[in-house]
Amino acid sequence: KNQVEQSPQSLIILEGKNCTLQCNYTVSPFSNLRWYKQDTGRGPVSLTIMTFSENTKSNGRYTATLDADTKQSSLHITASQLSDSASYICVVSARGNNRLAFGKGNQVVVIP
Amino acid sequence: KAGVTQTPRYLIKTRGQQVTLSCSPISGHRSVSWYQQTPGQGLQFLFEYFSETQRNKGNFPGRFSGRQFSNSRSEMNVSTLELGDSALYLCASSSDRGLSTDTQYFGPGTRLTVL
Repeated sequence: KNQVEQSPQSLIILEGKNCTLQCNYTVSPFSNLRWYKQDTGRGPVSLTIMTFSENTKSNGRYTATLDADTKQSSLHITASQLSDSASYICVVSARGNNRLAFGKGNQVVVIP
Repeated sequence: KAGVTQTPRYLIKTRGQQVTLSCSPISGHRSVSWYQQTPGQGLQFLFEYFSETQRNKGNFPGRFSGRQFSNSRSEMNVSTLELGDSALYLCASSSDRGLSTDTQYFGPGTRLTVL
């Protein structure tokens, strides 16, 4: 079983609307959680990094939340734009060995 | 500051051949990691190099190997290619300040197709 599960696998949203992506993990002990955005044909780009003590972090219209107790994170996209069409990947790092566990991504398509 | 560069961007090989991919990290970055990305499995960690030494290794067969040079540039080699090796191979570098929050910067990837 994958240590990082993301949902929904894919979604289509109208331009201007908000959406929320979910990431549940079982990685332990926890070090940090990262959200990446990957445009088609490009490498992933870091959006946010959160450690155990942080429960929210923003990067422009992207806001990530973390609940380390329930091992859940979400990425909220506000006022979506066509350029938000991408795969959003949740990556969780284990404390000690810094091993990374990857989710399979949320595929977001924004339509006009 | 230039980003992570990978060459070649696209590659077509046949089964049984071997391939070498190259990665130049961001200037000053000493840590280089390699990943395989496929639609079915997502991103999977191959290995990480730091100061010319392999520091971490994922669960891939010995056909996958790598190395890092003194200028931090890294190469990845896959021998005896199989159809299942078709994937996007991504390289990422980080400054590795020893902080758990060191950001990894990814290159554009090399798209390998095995026929």
